[in-house]
Formats: sequence, C-alpha cells, structure tokens
Amino acid sequence: QVQVVESGGGVVQPGRSLRLSCAASGFTFNIHAMHWVRQAPGKGLEWVAVISYVGSKTDYADSVKGRFTISRDNSKSTLYLQMNSLRAEDTAVYYCARDEYDQEGSYRLILDPWGQGTLVTVSS
Amino acid sequence: DIRMTQTPSSLSASVGDRVTITCRASQSISRYLNWYQQKLGKAPKLLISAASSMRSGVPSRFSGSGSGTEFTLTISSLQPEDFATYYCQQSFSTPLTFGGGTKVEIK
Repeated sequence: QVQVVESGGGVVQPGRSLRLSCAASGFTFNIHAMHWVRQAPGKGLEWVAVISYVGSKTDYADSVKGRFTISRDNSKSTLYLQMNSLRAEDTAVYYCARDEYDQEGSYRLILDPWGQGTLVTVSS
Repeated sequence: DIRMTQTPSSLSASVGDRVTITCRASQSISRYLNWYQQKLGKAPKLLISAASSMRSGVPSRFSGSGSGTEFTLTISSLQPEDFATYYCQQSFSTPLTFGGGTKVEIK
C-alpha cells in the first residue's frame, strides 16, 4: 500500500543538528513532490518545506530558512530533512507527506498520504 | 503569506448532529482549499481537496463548499468516529498554510 515512514527523531541539545528520513513505498516516488510538516505539542500544523520530484527546486517556511535543508534520493525512494542550529521552538512531531501528482511537474500542495511522524525534542 | 482562519476553534456536538466548520482566507484562493481530519495521536488524513472534491473512501456525510475567501466543511450527521480535529489548508501558493484547527468534541 502507499505509505511513507519517518525516522530519525530524538532528543537533541539546542544548537545541534539532526537528520530526519522518510522512506516511501507503494508508489512511484520520483514523480511526486514531497513535503515536511511539523506539529508542536498541543498545537496546529505548520508547513516546513517542499522539494520537487527531481529535487532541483525547494521552498521553505521562513521559520526554518537557512537552518533546514530538504533533499531526496530517488534511487532509494527516501526524503530527508537536515536540521541545523536547532532551537527549543523546533520541538515538534515532524511529518513527511506526498504531494499529489502534477503532470507538469509543479507543486499541487495537496498532501496525501502522511506518515505517522517522528518526534524531535530540542532541550538541554 | 496567506492567512487561514478557522471558526470555531472547538465545538461540542452529539451523535447525529449537523456540524459546520468555516475557513476564511486572507485573500482569494479560488478553490485551492483542502480539508484534513486528525485524530488524537495520529497523522492528518486528507478528506476533501479543491474545496469540494471528496477523496476516495471518505464517507458521504462529509462535504465541502466555497470559493474565493470563504469555505465550509459540513458533516451532515456526526458519527462517533468523526470526533477529531479538522484543519483547512490553502494550496494556492507557497508557503502552504493551515487554519488553526477545529476540535470536534462529544457533548
């Protein structure tokens, strides 16, 4: 079945780095843009970043721009999020989500499915 | 950035009730509006895309409407499995933005 599974979360000190992974299966990974979305404890959803199906185009929320890098390895059907200079306010469950297929290779910004999420806690 | 405002932020309803959630965009987004359902401790699930297009497997008691800046999600007859938090999201442009959520609780 179509699914995405995140991994790599954990507890990290402020200022340190962490890399999240998202393994995709059940669909043709290299034709879909992919997203990261996060949810702080007890809060709503916050979009983090998107990457095009080829990986040549990326876009970020202002809150993470310059600190986080989204990337993908289509040969491994895997999405990544490199998080540097982490702050307490980055504490959240991080979800990976597939963007709906777009024939022209653009973003549809329609997220389905989502993974189960991985928790990142930034604390000293 | 496009700001999405959902009302109410929470509501209490009984099984069988008709429930309506409103989502307003800070600028016109045509019909580029999606609705998600999130149950406690679970990932969000896409219910409706393009304002009113039901996704496969979503019960027919869910419906969406609207265009421009005002949208609604309606549950025609609330069922026990519908108690959850619902989010709207604009797909008009990046940064992709969500409403603050509407928590539907049992009365």
